Amino acid sequence: QVQLVQSGAEVKRPGASVEVSCQTSGYTFTTYFIHWVRKAPGQGLEWMGVINPSGGGTNYAQNFQGRLTLTRDMSTRTLYMKLSSLRSDDTAIYFCARGGTNSSPGLNWFDPWGQGTLVTVSS
Amino acid sequence: EVVLTQSPGTLSSSPGETVTLSCRASQSISSASVAWYQHRPGQAPRLLIYRASDRPSGIPDRFSGSGSGTDFTLTISGLEPEDFAVYYCQQYRSSPYTFGQGTKLDIK
Repeated sequence: QVQLVQSGAEVKRPGASVEVSCQTSGYTFTTYFIHWVRKAPGQGLEWMGVINPSGGGTNYAQNFQGRLTLTRDMSTRTLYMKLSSLRSDDTAIYFCARGGTNSSPGLNWFDPWGQGTLVTVSS
Repeated sequence: EVVLTQSPGTLSSSPGETVTLSCRASQSISSASVAWYQHRPGQAPRLLIYRASDRPSGIPDRFSGSGSGTDFTLTISGLEPEDFAVYYCQQYRSSPYTFGQGTKLDIK
């Protein structure tokens, strides 16, 4: 079955960077876009950005422009989310989620999701 | 950017009852571009509804979605104990793919 398995929890100092991985299985890696979403304490779900594993093209939310980098490793079917210049309000659970396809990019509901990775930013 | 406003923010109900959650968009969006998710603490969000009214396989038929234009609803009929969670609507018509702020469904 389709699975997205994320890396473990991280604790970082303000100003540092964090990289979270999302390893996929159970489907053709290059067919589906992968999105990143975060959930901060007391806040709702926030869409961060999307990567097309086929060509590596990305689209980032305005709030994360300049701090967010999404990449992929086709040999290991793994996606990476790197967030730099961390602040305390970046403390959140970060999720990867499978979205639409290259042929049907508008069918962009998110299913399934990874289990989430807690990133804590604290001095 | 499409802003989604969910109401109510919190809804208290009891097992067996039927509830309706609302999601209003700041501009008209295609019903083909609206999804609903359930999020329980410590778990990944789960897709409940896509294209405003379609259920993925494995989602119980007590969950139903409807709506068009700017107004969309999620109805849960015959609440089960595991349904008490936070529910989010989402539009995926255009980037940024925004979510509503969520409706927390708790036990009365």
